[in-house]
Amino acid sequence: DAGVTQSPTHLIKTRGQQVTLRCSPKSGHDTVSWYQQALGQGPQFIFQYYEEEERQRGNFPDRFSGHQFPNYSSELNVNALLLGDSALYLCASSEGLAGGAYTDTQYFGPGTRLTVL
Amino acid sequence: DAKTTQPNSMESNEEEPVHLPCNHSTISGTDYIHWYRQLPSQGPEYVIHGLTSNVNNRMASLAIAEDRKSSTLILHRATLRDAAVYYCILDSGGYQKVTFGTGTKLQVIP
Repeated sequence: DAGVTQSPTHLIKTRGQQVTLRCSPKSGHDTVSWYQQALGQGPQFIFQYYEEEERQRGNFPDRFSGHQFPNYSSELNVNALLLGDSALYLCASSEGLAGGAYTDTQYFGPGTRLTVL
Repeated sequence: DAKTTQPNSMESNEEEPVHLPCNHSTISGTDYIHWYRQLPSQGPEYVIHGLTSNVNNRMASLAIAEDRKSSTLILHRATLRDAAVYYCILDSGGYQKVTFGTGTKLQVIP
């Protein structure tokens, strides 16, 4: 089991550009969440996808959008990049609340380090 | 979202027990307490979770106060590999978003 994988590992962009980050969930997981982690801070929730729909969203502008594919993989898109978008972007997958579980354990990927110049 | 409060940093000697505290005074009855840790240059990894009763697994133990307003993650014998940032978070399930705080940076001294 490869666990959660993310690509690319590192990325350098300039202000105003657009970026797409990719995530493959852990085998058997159908729910994908994206987080932004600035240096020295905890991860901040961006949004969560389930059944190809955005189910929950954190306090992020519309420049941040996403997509989930039928195979449960996901993309995070950020338009009109700002210097402040420089961060580690983490993808996490989970089983959701399938099977009657009352809480969800998330499995994180290694992240994509985005630098905006 | 209910919030958690943790000390910014803690130190422990190698092979000694470590008690990492977390306050969550506004916890609701449906909030599960989760602990994750983040090793340097890695994504967070799940450690343990609980609702009301104390919990044990191969990584750690979780002690939950009777009023559930605080909890403690216990590493029974700290190793150098346990040096990480430890996050205490609340998850009410039901597809609610999870909020991470700034966590506790644990330094393990050889």
